[in-house]
Amino acid sequence: GAGVSQTPSNKVTEKGKYVELRCDPISGHTALYWYRQSLGQGPEFLIYFQGTGAADDSGLPNDRFFAVRPEGSVSTLKIQRTERGDSAVYLCASSLIGGQADTQYFGPGTRLTVL
Amino acid sequence: GIQVEQSPPDLILQEGANSTLRCNFSDSVNNLQWFHQNPWGQLINLFYIPSGTKQNGRLSATTVATERYSLLYISSSQTTDSGVYFCAVEGGSARQLTFGSGTQLTVLP
Repeated sequence: GAGVSQTPSNKVTEKGKYVELRCDPISGHTALYWYRQSLGQGPEFLIYFQGTGAADDSGLPNDRFFAVRPEGSVSTLKIQRTERGDSAVYLCASSLIGGQADTQYFGPGTRLTVL
Repeated sequence: GIQVEQSPPDLILQEGANSTLRCNFSDSVNNLQWFHQNPWGQLINLFYIPSGTKQNGRLSATTVATERYSLLYISSSQTTDSGVYFCAVEGGSARQLTFGSGTQLTVLP
């Protein structure tokens, strides 16, 4: 079946603007994760959803970042008043829960550039 | 939180050579995954291996959980193996993956 999909693949915005990034997980996966990857580094955790609720948002850097998953499937990461330091690749992953089912599968990412 | 260290940071091989990548982690883990990030940025799952040994073609991995390390073996390397290899772990009550800084592998023809 289809893997994790993310849209848009690239987003260029100006400092101070609002952006939304979308993630469509693998069908049936109850867990959804957002990560951010800066150049030359490994991905860093932002937020984890179990179903519709944010089970862990400890990785969100500040209150400009917010994410939702209203129906327990598609998720949107929202960034207000973007700053140049927000430029990175935003990755989404999904998984089932339990044992090997914990395997996280990643989407292709959204490359965000803040000018 | 849990710390993950990968070595070496960079590795250059001639096609056909074998290599071993290492991942050390600072605490017990519930999940350990190896990924290959291709030149287009896609993270490709290689192994889910919180303990034990697995093999998939030319790749194999071993995790010794009691000693807190994992090894990824690549045999008869090919140019298409080039890219960044990441180890990522999930420990304690947290469900998120903590990634190492990766090993940049370059396989020369």
